[in-house]
Amino acid sequence: DAGITQSPRHKVTETGTPVTLRCHQTENHRYMYWYRQDPGHGLRLIHYSYGVKDTDKGEVSDGYSVSRSKTEDFLLTLESATSSQTSVYFCAISGEAGGVSEQFFGPGTRLTVL
Amino acid sequence: GESVGLHLPTLSVQEGDNSIINCAYSNSASDYFIWYKQESGKGPQFIIDIRSNMDKRQGQRVTVLLNKTVKHLSLQIAATQPGDSAVYFCAETNQAGTALIFGKGTTLSVSS
Repeated sequence: DAGITQSPRHKVTETGTPVTLRCHQTENHRYMYWYRQDPGHGLRLIHYSYGVKDTDKGEVSDGYSVSRSKTEDFLLTLESATSSQTSVYFCAISGEAGGVSEQFFGPGTRLTVL
Repeated sequence: GESVGLHLPTLSVQEGDNSIINCAYSNSASDYFIWYKQESGKGPQFIIDIRSNMDKRQGQRVTVLLNKTVKHLSLQIAATQPGDSAVYFCAETNQAGTALIFGKGTTLSVSS
């Protein structure tokens, strides 16, 4: 399995609080992605990174920000969590650009916003 | 807009049968397609991929077929086993070629 870890694995928080999810990889892959997975929607891309300090928005980026200060870490921040952000969040990595090769996924973080 | 869909949300088969999971895609310019398997409580796991210059690719017990004329992708699993029970997702390249667009998934249930 690709060396991808996510932390925390589970989190319960209250509406309006900030939340940061961490993705850590040991594969030295250039590309990293954050997805959310909800029933009936499959996996939807939030943000992605194509290098240190290089990030771009995905399909559902509103309410989320990201940062990548090191190759191995990609952080997803919810500045002010809302109940609609209750979801399972997956991080993925790939060695090539996002649409041209397989992505390897982490184990996921289950976030509940009350 | 871009969309990747699967024809059936669920599929139930008997152990030993062959399974076929279908997917329709909308981006005629997509040049890369991929299938993932997701077991309960885990992240998606790569199964097999195919590029648009091919119409068939085989792996271990799995075959992916690509029909670009009708924008259809299928995953065939031979001699389905209980361990194959999972949600299967297809994905295609987005319009910009920068990311993958995932379908909503088909839940495969294998009974013994």
